[in-house]
Amino acid sequence: DAGITQSPRHKVTETGTPVTLRCHQTENHRYMYWYRQDPGHGLRLIHYSYGVKDTDKGEVSDGYSVSRSKTEDFLLTLESATSSQTSVYFCAIGTGGINEKLFFGSGTQLSVL
Amino acid sequence: GQQVMQIPQYQHVQEGEDFTTYCNSSTTLSNIQWYKQRPGGHPVFLIQLVKSGEVKKQKRLTFQFGEAKKNSSLHITATQTTDVGTYFCAGPYFGNEKLTFGTGTRLTIIP
Repeated sequence: DAGITQSPRHKVTETGTPVTLRCHQTENHRYMYWYRQDPGHGLRLIHYSYGVKDTDKGEVSDGYSVSRSKTEDFLLTLESATSSQTSVYFCAIGTGGINEKLFFGSGTQLSVL
Repeated sequence: GQQVMQIPQYQHVQEGEDFTTYCNSSTTLSNIQWYKQRPGGHPVFLIQLVKSGEVKKQKRLTFQFGEAKKNSSLHITATQTTDVGTYFCAGPYFGNEKLTFGTGTRLTIIP
């Protein structure tokens, strides 16, 4: 498997609290992605990064922000968690381009009570 | 918006039976990729098809990309317990390089 580490693996938090998920890669890939996975919806793109400090929104970006201060780290922040953000979050890395294939981390199970 | 639907959402088969999942896009895709996610695991890349009408095989798995590049299928012959998992298709739309994932088909095997 590609060198991608997500932390934490599991988190339980309360509505209204801030939450930060971390993705760390050792592959030096330019592109990094955050997806959420929910039953019946597959994988939906939240935000992605195409370089240090270069980020863009995906299809479900509301309520989320990201930062990438180093090539290897991509952070996903929920400023004020809501119950609708209970999900499994996956980080992925890729080389970019039209034929890009993605390598996924092991995921973070987030529960917002 | 751009949508990629997969059918069926769930499939239960007896071990040894065949299995097929279908992927349909609302617009043309520049290529199609397939990923497999084992229960409790993460998606893992299986294959990519690029050409219209392309067919590729990986042992018991056969992947097809439609002539109009709007649909695809994955067929597994003689399923085994190791085939259990959720299969996702994904494709980048022309003009947008980011992958849009299908809704997935969850395959369970009855021994």
